Amino acid sequence: DVKVTQSSRYLVKRTGEKVFLECVQDMDHENMFWYRQDPGLGLRLIYFSYDVKMKEKGDIPEGYSVSREKKERFSLILESASTNQTSMYLCASREGGLVDEQYFGPGTRLTVT
Amino acid sequence: EDKVVQSPLSLVVHEGDTVTLNCSYEVTNFRSLLWYKQEKKAPTFLFMLTSSGIEKKSGRLSSILDKKELFSILNITATQTGDSAVYLCAVRSSGDKLTFGTGTRLAVRP
Repeated sequence: DVKVTQSSRYLVKRTGEKVFLECVQDMDHENMFWYRQDPGLGLRLIYFSYDVKMKEKGDIPEGYSVSREKKERFSLILESASTNQTSMYLCASREGGLVDEQYFGPGTRLTVT
Repeated sequence: EDKVVQSPLSLVVHEGDTVTLNCSYEVTNFRSLLWYKQEKKAPTFLFMLTSSGIEKKSGRLSSILDKKELFSILNITATQTGDSAVYLCAVRSSGDKLTFGTGTRLAVRP
């Protein structure tokens, strides 16, 4: 079974803090993704990575950056957290190539006060 | 811009009822459509559809795709309280990204 883990289930940060969200997958998947999920808006893609050190912007990259130094780990960084970044953050991974299915982590509920 | 629309937004039924969830899409270079079930945490994969008219089935759940009319349906028969969840539809076009709908929230009452 694919396992995708995220470093925290719940996180509370103050406005202006730098925030790191970590995601690790154990199946040697090529692709990894960061989404945020908000009521009425569904899952929106922030960034994704198709290989180590490779990244591509998703639909809502503003205010975020990412890092992928190792294949199994994909980090989402909020350089200066703001209250409108309060959300559920979901990480996913995908084998790559012709395989379409993405496997999701349990999510991190981030509150910025 | 790729677009996925799900309906209804929410639904309340009683145990034993049959429900049909809808997903319509507008994407360039369609590749596949995926259904996920999300309870309290991570979405879990249900089905992937790539060809029109071929039903995918898993127990009481089934799904079918119509590539001409650009929609898919997810059917759940003999619903149980454990089916209560948000059901997400997503479409993959030619790149690596999935575009998700906003989901249908299903509540099954005993």
